[in-house]
Amino acid sequence: QSVLTQPPSVSGAPGQRVTISCTGSSSNIGSGYDLHWYRQVPGTAPTLLMYGYTNRPSGVPDRFSGSKAGTSASLAITGLQAEDEADYYCQTYDSSLSGWIFGGGTKLTVL
Amino acid sequence: QVQMQESGPGLVKPSETLSLTCAVSGGSISTDYWGWIRQAPGKGLEWIGDMHYSGSANFNPSLTGRATISIDRSKNRFSLTVTSMTAADTAVYYCAKVGGRGFKDLDPWGPGTQVTVSS
Repeated sequence: QSVLTQPPSVSGAPGQRVTISCTGSSSNIGSGYDLHWYRQVPGTAPTLLMYGYTNRPSGVPDRFSGSKAGTSASLAITGLQAEDEADYYCQTYDSSLSGWIFGGGTKLTVL
Repeated sequence: QVQMQESGPGLVKPSETLSLTCAVSGGSISTDYWGWIRQAPGKGLEWIGDMHYSGSANFNPSLTGRATISIDRSKNRFSLTVTSMTAADTAVYYCAKVGGRGFKDLDPWGPGTQVTVSS
């Protein structure tokens, strides 16, 4: 079981808005460590989608946005497209484990 | 634009040592941190460890000291060694650049290399 908790799956119809949560604790998100999001199409390597909670790397459309509240973070995707179907992972540092941790991943299905 | 490419044996016997190499192109390895991540079949991502070009390294405690990382500046590449391999170490192994933006994000990643532990 991951220290960072993500819903196993979320879904939405094209054009809709979905959010993916990443719930941590006082030893990771709550301690102020940066959090990042990755997107992984099955069979391929993950790619960086969001860094430092709210920053998009160049090339990532502004349909993607990130936020933080307390010991949780969220990734929001608006104007859902078929190409958004993938697995999404959050990542941060945990002081209790003395290392980088990933959430368990969330499979996004576009209906 | 930095690119990464992993290489190594696809098959390792139980109890043997795994050695993987990550070739870095489009940029110098003498900056930032460089890391390894793995993904077991059907599972999520697991951080293995990372190393600064100066030599300081950090590892996932769950690997109980089995992993080491080294950097070869002359060949612009870095390597991962994992000893006492077991079936539980079967995974796709990825290398990545760490923290190029001043954050500890992982970008870019290599395409990954499959490692299977079996006799």
